[in-house]
Amino acid sequence: GNSVTQMEGPVTLSEEAFLTINCTYTATGYPSLFWYVQYPGEGLQLLLKATKADDKGSNKGFEATYRKETTSFHLEKGSVQVSDSAVYFCAPNAGGTSYGKLTFGQGTILTVHP
Amino acid sequence: EPEVTQTPSHQVTQMGQEVILRCVPISNHLYFYWYRQILGQKVEFLVSFYNNEISEKSEIFDDQFSVERPDGSNFTLKIRSTKLEDSAMYFCASTGQDDTGELFFGEGSRLTVL
Repeated sequence: GNSVTQMEGPVTLSEEAFLTINCTYTATGYPSLFWYVQYPGEGLQLLLKATKADDKGSNKGFEATYRKETTSFHLEKGSVQVSDSAVYFCAPNAGGTSYGKLTFGQGTILTVHP
Repeated sequence: EPEVTQTPSHQVTQMGQEVILRCVPISNHLYFYWYRQILGQKVEFLVSFYNNEISEKSEIFDDQFSVERPDGSNFTLKIRSTKLEDSAMYFCASTGQDDTGELFFGEGSRLTVL
């Protein structure tokens, strides 16, 4: 099955700092790749996705590029805000007919200070 | 915007009791899922459901667990005889026929087994 190694946290940054959260995965076939975010007290929300190699997913200033050669999907943001404080999860899917079966990383807690 | 809703938000139960967690997926979605997150651990896939039957389940989803779509709107997870280790946040998710695997999650039901 798939596995995900995600940068351990917690990560603490000052507002407007640059953010990188590393994610590497192992998977059979060609999964789609996702970043989900969990804000305090809320459920999981899709942040961005990429469905094939070299695709770049982007949303709310966050970006991640599907790197098949390095099996990575690192999350970046050029200037974080306090409102970005949340837990971030990298998740490839299983592909094929199991495309809704996600394998989540352990999550990275991000705290942004003013 | 359509959303997945879950009830209850928090349930406390005694070990050995039956618990039913309820979910209302997005109305035109066809694929339904349960995931769980034990406190401090990864979000884990439990089961997927399509066309009124289980399409895939994980090792966690043993005989104590069952899922049902009793009508056209609800999707339930039943735990027949709860154990202490069933304490977790349970997330329901749904998706349409888009095969990119983008799941829409509810806010979760926290189950505490005493």
